Amino acid sequence: NAGVMQNPRHLVRRRGQEARLRCSPMKGHSHVYWYRQLPEEGLKFMVYLQKENIIDESGMPKERFSAEFPKEGPSILRIQQVVRGDSAAYFCASSRFDSDTEAFFGQGTRLTVV
Amino acid sequence: EDQVTQSPEALRLQEGESSSLNCSYTVSGLRGLFWYRQDPGKGPEFLFTLYSAGEEKEKERLKATLTKKESFLHITAPKPEDSATYLCAVQAARGGADGLTFGKGTHLIIQP
Repeated sequence: NAGVMQNPRHLVRRRGQEARLRCSPMKGHSHVYWYRQLPEEGLKFMVYLQKENIIDESGMPKERFSAEFPKEGPSILRIQQVVRGDSAAYFCASSRFDSDTEAFFGQGTRLTVV
Repeated sequence: EDQVTQSPEALRLQEGESSSLNCSYTVSGLRGLFWYRQDPGKGPEFLFTLYSAGEEKEKERLKATLTKKESFLHITAPKPEDSATYLCAVQAARGGADGLTFGKGTHLIIQP
């Protein structure tokens, strides 16, 4: 039973480029959450999605960031025109139901902007 | 605004030396309080969910407890493999689902 799969594990982008982070939830899970972890900071909630719906994006920066979870395929976190401050570890978590408070995390994507 | 404060920031223990990690929280209605373990370069690994004051859960050398204002993670006779960062998080019982609010974690080192 595969866990939450994130790819790539490491991503290097130059300033101004686009970054695409992918997350495949655990089998049977239809709820996906994205978090960002900055150095020496705690995990910060970004967005919560269900299939084809954004439920809560209150933690998402208003500009340059977007997320989707299509009917088929992985969830995508997209960061346009990356800046150095976007360098962080981005984690995805999935759960079976919205009332299921046991969310399981992937191994993360470490984004470095140079 | 929901807040989670963990203490101490770092803790170094000898193997077999029991101790407790603290998580203080403020939240507008608690749906659940979570403990995760995170190893360097890895994602958080789920340990426990606590739902109401007075609840306790145990797993091997770990025991989590919950009051209305804080949670403790007790580590009994720890081993070097228990070294990790332990994260506490809360989820509010608001209408609609919300993500977790995390503390900054306690970095635990168990020396042989």
